[in-house]
Amino acid sequence: GPKVLQIPSHQIIDMGQMVTLNCDPVSNHLYFYWYKQILGQQMEFLVNFYNGKVMEKSKLFKDQFSVERPDGSYFTLKIQPTALEDSAVYFCASSQNRGREDYAEQFFGPGTRLTVL
Amino acid sequence: GQQVQQSPASLVLQEGENAELQCNFSSTATRLQWFYQRPGGSLVSLLSNPSGTKHTGRLTSTTVTKERRGSLHISSSQITDSGTYLCAMEPTGGNNKLTFGQGTVLSVIP
Repeated sequence: GPKVLQIPSHQIIDMGQMVTLNCDPVSNHLYFYWYKQILGQQMEFLVNFYNGKVMEKSKLFKDQFSVERPDGSYFTLKIQPTALEDSAVYFCASSQNRGREDYAEQFFGPGTRLTVL
Repeated sequence: GQQVQQSPASLVLQEGENAELQCNFSSTATRLQWFYQRPGGSLVSLLSNPSGTKHTGRLTSTTVTKERRGSLHISSSQITDSGTYLCAMEPTGGNNKLTFGQGTVLSVIP
């Protein structure tokens, strides 16, 4: 199926530093998402993004988090500053459409494992 | 808040047997999407289904949004089907965000 790429696959940083997670979504997709999965726990929605704007964010999307997709390049999640509880795998996803429409299926990247020391 | 409950939590099958995975959710949904999560963590989308029944290969997804439930049927299971199956629902009126269940861990043995 369609491929979503994420860079890097693993990132280790010290608490308080800034980190940027990069996502290369499927080329004709318009909707972009970040999800967070702590080891052994449920996948949880963080934020979605369409037409250059955040549509919705969850309570997990702290003030230290931000997303952007400048000029149609990578869709990024930035955390500044990082905290210990930010250690998790972050998954990027994209979809062409939304809701009951055709092509609303979300395709996920392989995840970036973030370790905050 | 919205909740997604999957059952069973784990399932052991002999190769060739069929599996039926259940997904129940607490609020109205626009669609269900089923995923396979590999042991390394990456997600593979299996089926996206707003209502009714959809098939792909050995997989059949049934979504009954009025009854807030869905299911994934795996026929003639193979050892390579082993892994975690996640059900995710998109709430009605939600901005396409998915709420995930805890997953069903499937083990297929020879």
